[in-house]
Amino acid sequence: SYELTQPPSVSVSPGQTARVTCSGDALPKQYAYWYQQKPGQAPVLVIYKDSERPSGIPERFSGSSSGTTVTLTISGVQAEDEADYYCQSADSSGSYYVFGTGTKVTVL
Amino acid sequence: EVQLVESGGGLVKPGGSLRLSCAASGFTFISYGMNWVRQAPGKGLEWVSSISSSSSYIYYADSVMGRFTISRDNAKNSLYLQMNSLRAEDTAVYYCARDGDGYCSSSSCPFDPWGQGTLVTVSS
Repeated sequence: SYELTQPPSVSVSPGQTARVTCSGDALPKQYAYWYQQKPGQAPVLVIYKDSERPSGIPERFSGSSSGTTVTLTISGVQAEDEADYYCQSADSSGSYYVFGTGTKVTVL
Repeated sequence: EVQLVESGGGLVKPGGSLRLSCAASGFTFISYGMNWVRQAPGKGLEWVSSISSSSSYIYYADSVMGRFTISRDNAKNSLYLQMNSLRAEDTAVYYCARDGDGYCSSSSCPFDPWGQGTLVTVSS
């Protein structure tokens, strides 16, 4: 089955830049989406179509894509950005969704 | 305000059945595809099933194929997940989520927004 691989954890100091990667064979053919999930809360969409930002999401959140890897970048990290982040995409046929393994972003 | 409210979770024995519901409000339900996603305690997100706006297209994860059935009632603005032959590994919080408004590509959609989830525990 199709898999998306993320690093388990990323640590960053306040004001610095956090980068979370997501790798998958179908990513050159399918868009990726990113979600933020805080403890006890439902996930929130922060990036769609690799690099677009939904309304209401701060500009410090951005996304990029290169080959089989997509990257979520949080510039000028704030304490409130501490959360789990998940990428999501579809298989090459578009009929099967998959979530990445998840990355815990810790603000030191 | 867009709202999704799940219900129907609870404790069930292995091999048992449960039906989850998701009540939608604040948007034109018939216009959107809908989805179920689950999260086992302390684990990551797992996509479960998706259904198109008219129920013409339905997809399942391999882990639930043949045991779970997704459906919707557009007249009642409701989404359902019938879960049969439940196993311990089905224990999770189950979220319903709408296809993102204006965020979809030609072949996939992000999920936005999400409900708060309902907990299903499968245990003897």
